[in-house]
Amino acid sequence: GAVVSQHPSRVICKSGTSVKIECRSLDFQATTMFWYRQFPKQSLMLMATSNEGSKATYEQGVEKDKFLINHASLTLSTLTVTSAHPEDSSFYICSASIIDTYEQYFGPGTRLTVT
Amino acid sequence: AQSVAQPEDQVNVAEGNPLTVKCTYSVSGNPYLFWYVQYPNRGLQFLLKYITGDNLVKGSYGFEAEFNKSQTSFHLKKPSALVSDSALYFCAVRRRGDDKIIFGKGTRLHILP
Repeated sequence: GAVVSQHPSRVICKSGTSVKIECRSLDFQATTMFWYRQFPKQSLMLMATSNEGSKATYEQGVEKDKFLINHASLTLSTLTVTSAHPEDSSFYICSASIIDTYEQYFGPGTRLTVT
Repeated sequence: AQSVAQPEDQVNVAEGNPLTVKCTYSVSGNPYLFWYVQYPNRGLQFLLKYITGDNLVKGSYGFEAEFNKSQTSFHLKKPSALVSDSALYFCAVRRRGDDKIIFGKGTRLHILP
């Protein structure tokens, strides 16, 4: 149980285009979803927290107009990287949690490369 | 501010030997503590957690961790390392009442055959 999927697993896009990454909780309803960014050989950096039906809460330094997060249902959150630049290339990981539980369940990650 | 420290970037252990990956934290109150493992180009896999109760927590794949409140530590241990344990290990902390998990910078574990 508690499986989180991400799609796509790997994407290459050109500078200036936008790319959408989906995060789904497959066998549970996630009250909260989180988006992380991980640079090579570094830890996970929390980008934003999203609750179903409400606006995402972004961490300091994360541009909300560049990283659009939509949490349309209890099983789906999307991250859209708008007007992508090569420096946006990274490994993006989502996680989901269930209300009143302690854990976050992590997706397998999406490798974004902007050329 | 919350923080998690993993003082070792890399730990090398011979197969069959015991291993320890260190973690200390700085969080107000009594936090929840976690260990996750990450294999190359993969997401994080949950290993174990401390919520309350017994200070020694047993988790997946034979790993365990000991919560030490006075030293604010939560070191990960395994009695006998396997080559397949080679991966990146993250310690994480979550303050009670908060949704966010704060991660340490990670420790790369190399098990030498």
